[in-house]
Amino acid sequence: GAVVSQHPSWVICKSGTSVKIECRSLDFQATTMFWYRQFPKQSLMLMATSNEGSKATYEQGVEKDKFLINHASLTLSTLTVTSAHPEDSSFYICSARVGGAGGYTFGSGTRLTVV
Amino acid sequence: SQQGEEDPQALSIQEGENATMNCSYKTSINNLQWYRQNSGRGLVHLILIRSNEREKHSGRLRVTLDTSKKSSSLLITASRAADTASYFCATDGSGNTPLVFGKGTRLSVIA
Repeated sequence: GAVVSQHPSWVICKSGTSVKIECRSLDFQATTMFWYRQFPKQSLMLMATSNEGSKATYEQGVEKDKFLINHASLTLSTLTVTSAHPEDSSFYICSARVGGAGGYTFGSGTRLTVV
Repeated sequence: SQQGEEDPQALSIQEGENATMNCSYKTSINNLQWYRQNSGRGLVHLILIRSNEREKHSGRLRVTLDTSKKSSSLLITASRAADTASYFCATDGSGNTPLVFGKGTRLSVIA
């Protein structure tokens, strides 16, 4: 089946630093990747949609200059959290639609802790 | 944007009992899916029901969909302690659109 590999699975960083999260589609080409954020005891909220070769589209309230998304190839999308702050601590997870009929595949998620 | 509500927000039951979770959504959909998430972990896909289906079964899971009421329910029968997790419904539309998740139900099954 279609697999998205997400790395790192967890990261701890200092305030003010940047963190890059990668999602790779291993056995299919993902022209679009969806990025979600999940705060503790809350649901997954869509942050942005990345499209290969073009600019990402961001949901209302998500700072595009803070959450940089790059989708330079059909198999790699990255999310960089710049100048991270403790309030950015969250679970970040990527997803791609696979084929038709409602199929989606998810990365395993990245737990970001900013100290 | 958040699609809709799920209730209850939290549910605690004894092992062996049935657990019912409900989900409502706001817009027209192609499919509705249910996912499970253990604390701090990734998502596990449970079941998908299409907009033209009314009921679907998979093992101990039973999902219903009422498009006229824009609602769905997930029933877990004969619950086990290992069923303890958060459960989310998610809907998708046509085209290459993202899944939109409900707020989720935290289920605790007490042995």
